[in-house]
Amino acid sequence: DTAVSQTPKYLVTQMGNDKSIKCEQNLGHDTMYWYKQDSKKFLKIMFSYNNKELIINETVPNRFSPKSPDKAHLNLHINSLELGDSAVYFCASRGTVYEQYFGPGTRLTVT
Amino acid sequence: QKEVEQDPGPLSVPEGAIVSLNCTYSNSAFQYFMWYRQYSRKGPELLMYTYSSGNKEDGRFTAQVDKSSKYISLFIRDSQPSDSATYLCAMSARSGYSTLTFGKGTMLLVSP
Repeated sequence: DTAVSQTPKYLVTQMGNDKSIKCEQNLGHDTMYWYKQDSKKFLKIMFSYNNKELIINETVPNRFSPKSPDKAHLNLHINSLELGDSAVYFCASRGTVYEQYFGPGTRLTVT
Repeated sequence: QKEVEQDPGPLSVPEGAIVSLNCTYSNSAFQYFMWYRQYSRKGPELLMYTYSSGNKEDGRFTAQVDKSSKYISLFIRDSQPSDSATYLCAMSARSGYSTLTFGKGTMLLVSP
């Protein structure tokens, strides 16, 4: 029973395209996140939502737009994809003691 | 100075060895400390979390926090080849929507 799931797992697309990544958690948590992990494996926070409201936006280009239809879902839409957007994107949700639970990741490759 | 420093490794040990993984940090507001394990091409998996200073043990894993030195450790006893992964420390201040600050991860290789 997957706690945090993401789709798709792999995404290969061309520059200039628009793509979306979906995330769902069944842990009943109120707070969810999007992270980007670059080729050097560093995890960098992009956005945080609490109960469908955006609470953190870490100077991410406005080509990236998160959307939370309900507190169990947090989707990420990316417009006009660029080569530098190639990375692994992780969704996470936060438990009661500030710990976070991560999804399996979406590996985005922009050609 | 980076907020969280972690030696990237790789750290290579033989099977059965005791492994010590460490992080130092500069922000004295951090009060919650976590260790994640990340296998290649997988998401980070929460191993342990601790609050403030002290030790916490879970099976072969022991987490230690020394807030006076701003230093945290993860010990793995009787290491196994299946422990080969990247280990990330993470920490958080205790305030509202405080986020996790991650170290860059240490790659551990346990050879049979």
